[in-house]
Amino acid sequence: GAGVSQSPSNKVTEKGKDVELRCDPISGHTALYWYRQSLGQGLEFLIYFQGNSAPDKSGLPSDRFSAERTGGSVSTLTIQRTQQEDSAVYLCASSLGLFQNTEAFFGQGTRLTVV
Amino acid sequence: DQQVKQNSPSLSVQEGRISILNCDYTNSMFDYFLWYKKYPAEGPTFLISISSIKDKNEDGRFTVFLNKSAKHLSLHIVPSQPGDSAVYFCAASAGLFTGANSKLTFGKGITLSVRP
Repeated sequence: GAGVSQSPSNKVTEKGKDVELRCDPISGHTALYWYRQSLGQGLEFLIYFQGNSAPDKSGLPSDRFSAERTGGSVSTLTIQRTQQEDSAVYLCASSLGLFQNTEAFFGQGTRLTVV
Repeated sequence: DQQVKQNSPSLSVQEGRISILNCDYTNSMFDYFLWYKKYPAEGPTFLISISSIKDKNEDGRFTVFLNKSAKHLSLHIVPSQPGDSAVYFCAASAGLFTGANSKLTFGKGITLSVRP
């Protein structure tokens, strides 16, 4: 597709279970970002990829959160042993990388609910 | 410590009038600023941007003003339309002129309501 695609669009999970969120960026975009938006909050940065490496993972809230990107394309955000405070909309974005600090294009997000 | 601040959580204006959305930042390394618009259940979409070498950028009904000395930018929407009702996020990044890409830092957003 032409845009950033995220799956699933909605995920309900039990506390303590692991979840995987997937992001397919726009083809050719080397930069990929994960953000999350909790209820009533702004966009919180989690991690940023340039190609397959993550120069900045400073926003990951705990060691239960990890992300990887393979082939410079698809990225997976994994949350282990989910907690209720992990409930949020997780947004992925991609942009042209390195020398073009242009706008990032966002996916529609994955709404995660931990019960 | 929030580096991009949108201190007003909401704004309500009459259709046809001007909407002014404000944003302040603290990091002097920021050199590229963007506004995003977000409807419920959708991802944010890019609206307009400005680099630090400019003080104004205009695109149709949308104009962004940058005051570097005050570390302040604003988005003006004229005339406002009911379809503009959404959450508006201000974002900033550093490294535009050094060639080093970096993350976008977002504010908390402002909910704009345009009354018919």
